Amino acid sequence: AQSVAQPEDQVNVAEGNPLTVKCTYSVSGNPYLFWYVQYPNRGLQFLLKYITGDNLVKGSYGFEAEFNKSQTSFHLKKPSALVSDSALYFCAVRDRYSSASKIIFGSGTRLSIRP
Amino acid sequence: DAGITQSPRHKVTETGTPVTLRCHQTENHRYMYWYRQDPGHGLRLIHYSYGVKDTDKGEVSDGYSVSRSKTEDFLLTLESATSSQTSVYFCAISETPPSGIQDTQYFGPGTRLTVL
Repeated sequence: AQSVAQPEDQVNVAEGNPLTVKCTYSVSGNPYLFWYVQYPNRGLQFLLKYITGDNLVKGSYGFEAEFNKSQTSFHLKKPSALVSDSALYFCAVRDRYSSASKIIFGSGTRLSIRP
Repeated sequence: DAGITQSPRHKVTETGTPVTLRCHQTENHRYMYWYRQDPGHGLRLIHYSYGVKDTDKGEVSDGYSVSRSKTEDFLLTLESATSSQTSVYFCAISETPPSGIQDTQYFGPGTRLTVL
């Protein structure tokens, strides 16, 4: 069965410091992995995805994520946090050959960047 | 929000009444989805559609039905609303790239539903 875990409900970082939002996954086959961001009273916005190829994926707003197959992780990172990065972040996973109904979202991590 | 609108954006209703939420897209994407978002649960798939009149159940489909008579519209109906269906509902769409495996989903702004 597919699953995704975001072990931290909240991450607090000072502006200008690097940030990491953790995600681990479990799928039976090869994964598609996604990060989405949700700002208050908005829908989820796509940030980046890993399909195949380079394990380091670069996305919107200076975010990147590293696919680590041995650790089954897909942590989201940014070298220098901005206050405007404060939002709710969701990791999602799908088995490469499963149907649309098998996309699983994590429970979300609230990122708070203090000035 | 990728050419996706949801209506209404907010609704308060009473237990036992029927409720229909509408999702409208202008992207001509084949796949459409309805999710609910609840604290501590992330997003959970209710139903999805892979074409006009083609729909299937997600993980939390009980108490919900859907219809898709046109590519651009996907309706979610609560036949008899209950307080446990108080939630924020999101519609999403995705296309089928040349690989034939749909992937990235794009989300609407959401509908906040309160069932009293």
